[in-house]
Amino acid sequence: GAVVSQHPSRVICKSGTSVKIECRSLDFQATTMFWYRQFPKQSLMLMATSNEGSKATYEQGVEKDKFLINHASLTLSTLTVTSAHPEDSSFYICSARDPRLLETQYFGPGTRLLVL
Amino acid sequence: AQKVTQAQTEISVVEKEDVTLDCVYETRDTTYYLFWYKQPPSGELVFLIRRNSFDEQNEISGRYSWNFQKSTSSFNFTITASQVVDSAVYFCALQLNDYKLSFGAGTTVTVRA
Repeated sequence: GAVVSQHPSRVICKSGTSVKIECRSLDFQATTMFWYRQFPKQSLMLMATSNEGSKATYEQGVEKDKFLINHASLTLSTLTVTSAHPEDSSFYICSARDPRLLETQYFGPGTRLLVL
Repeated sequence: AQKVTQAQTEISVVEKEDVTLDCVYETRDTTYYLFWYKQPPSGELVFLIRRNSFDEQNEISGRYSWNFQKSTSSFNFTITASQVVDSAVYFCALQLNDYKLSFGAGTTVTVRA
């Protein structure tokens, strides 16, 4: 199946700093990528849909100025958590849709963010 | 709005027992896709199955089987002869035409040796 990578896999940062997470589709071009957040022992919640060449669309309750998404190429989407605070500590997972296989999304391995 | 309910929070079984995970979904759309994912302690989501709304055939893949019943809006998952490696959190998810996935709360399966 298609491969999606995320970098970094784990990051620890101080409160107030910004953190950038990359999501790459390695062997296909993804016009659409999705960003999910998962708090400990909870389900995955969709944060936003990242569309190549256009602005991301955010789910209700997700602050677009805090979670900046850039999808500058068909293989890369980035999520920047700006001015991170301890409550932003979570597991962030991206997925990418292979347009050749319309119904299936491929998930990255996730990024664990810990804000001290 | 669509919704996915996994009523079982945790299930604990002894190795070789069968375990069935329930999933009930709600949607007004007639075209949709249902998924099951496995999330081991490492966190990575492992795709198990996709089923579209027009295909109610049950499916078996090795020790895994799925029962899709549109009449009751259920998409249940059974692991036969469970093994310790099956211990993980299992998520049922619903996808509509916008490709967004709505996940259930997940069921934690613990298989004891």
